[in-house]
Amino acid sequence: SAVISQKPSRDICQRGTSLTIQCQVDSQVTMMFWYRQQPGQSLTLIATANQGSEATYESGFVIDKFPISRPNLTFSTLTVSNMSPEDSSIYLCSARNQGGEQYFGPGTRLTVT
Amino acid sequence: GNSVTQMEGPVTLSEEAFLTINCTYTATGYPSLFWYVQYPGEGLQLLLKATKADDKGSNKGFEATYRKETTSFHLEKGSVQVSDSAVYFCALSGRGANSKLTFGKGITLSVRP
Repeated sequence: SAVISQKPSRDICQRGTSLTIQCQVDSQVTMMFWYRQQPGQSLTLIATANQGSEATYESGFVIDKFPISRPNLTFSTLTVSNMSPEDSSIYLCSARNQGGEQYFGPGTRLTVT
Repeated sequence: GNSVTQMEGPVTLSEEAFLTINCTYTATGYPSLFWYVQYPGEGLQLLLKATKADDKGSNKGFEATYRKETTSFHLEKGSVQVSDSAVYFCALSGRGANSKLTFGKGITLSVRP
């Protein structure tokens, strides 16, 4: 299995600012992902974080709004830019190992005021 | 495309009751199937998985069998505990290395003493 940590665990931010979320995995993984989970809802995939290259974004998500980095096999960041109240959500980092099992971090609970 | 359908919730049971949570899927090829659990305020935890037809995944008293003929992966537990109260997500993943997890909507289980 893989243990995933995220920082910060929660934050309250003002409209128009940006927040960077960090994700650290305790072992080498093949793929890393970022998800968003609205309260009481299922998970929505934002993007696949690719090591050393631009992330692959899902429909409805763009790099200018959600820039992602993955400088090595075990670390990734997601930035939520120019935030609005609609960005209030839980952001989850996820990683898949070579066995095809996918694990999730504890999430970052973001509130935008 | 791939999709996962879970039964409507929420579900409320008394302690020691039998649990069944239905999950059916639509997919091309032969996907891998997963159940994830999300306890209040936490990220998702992989509960169990099955990678081929007739496989049975099991963990913590929970079981699910990969039924290709009915395209189902129902989650069962013989005797639930209060500590099982959580949200349960059924998910599938294709066989390709770059395949993505497709989640069901999730169902909330509440177990009363």
